[in-house]
Amino acid sequence: EAGVAQSPRYKIIEKRQSVAFWCNPISGHATLYWYQQILGQGPKLLIQFQNNGVVDDSQLPKDRFSAERLKGVDSTLKIQPAKLEDSAVYLCASSSQGALGEQYFGPGTRLTVT
Amino acid sequence: GEDVEQSLFLSVREGDSSVINCTYTDSSSTYLYWYKQEPGAGLQLLTYIFSNMDMKQDQRLTVLLNKKDKHLSLRIADTQTGDSAIYFCAESINTDKLIFGTGTRLQVFP
Repeated sequence: EAGVAQSPRYKIIEKRQSVAFWCNPISGHATLYWYQQILGQGPKLLIQFQNNGVVDDSQLPKDRFSAERLKGVDSTLKIQPAKLEDSAVYLCASSSQGALGEQYFGPGTRLTVT
Repeated sequence: GEDVEQSLFLSVREGDSSVINCTYTDSSSTYLYWYKQEPGAGLQLLTYIFSNMDMKQDQRLTVLLNKKDKHLSLRIADTQTGDSAIYFCAESINTDKLIFGTGTRLQVFP
C-alpha cells in the first residue's frame, strides 16, 4: 500500500512570495489533514477535510493560507504572501473513518522563508 | 483548555529501558497516542491507549496511564540505537482531532 505522498520535499522562498504544497493521501482515506510543525514543536493542525468538505479550519490563518481538496482526493495548501514565521515543515496526513485516530503521515515539505 | 507537555530530551544506553513522560490537561480525552518521528520522516503511530485503561503492553512498548494525574508514559524495553527518534504523545477527545505534545528527543548511545 502506497503511503501519503507530498511534494515538494523542500522549498526556499523570499518573504511576500507565494508557495503551494501538494498532498496525495492513501487511497480510500476520506479524511485529510494539514499540519504545521515549527522546529522544536509538535505538529499543529491547520485544516481537516472530510472528503472534499472542511471539518475544522479554526487554526488556519485565513488571511494568507488557503487549502482545497476539490475531488475528495488530492489536496493543495497555499501560502500567499509568506512571512518569515511560516518557516516550518508542513505535514499532510490521512485516515479512514473509524480508525481510532490512526493518522498516516507523509514525509512533509520543509519550507524556509528568507 | 488543551495542552500536552513533554520533557525535551532523554539519553539512554543501548539495552537499558527508556521512559518517556507526558502530561495533558483535558480530562475529556478519550484516546492517548504515542507517535515516533525519525529524521526527515513523517510521524508513525506506535501505540495508543483508551482512556478507561491503565496499561497497555505491545512487545517492547508499555504504556501507562494515570488518568487522575493526567500523566501518560511510554516505556521502551531493551532500547536499541534504532529507537533514536523524537517521540510525541497526543490526545484526542473524538478520534479525529489530535493535540500533540512538544516531543521528546530520545538518544540511544552504545
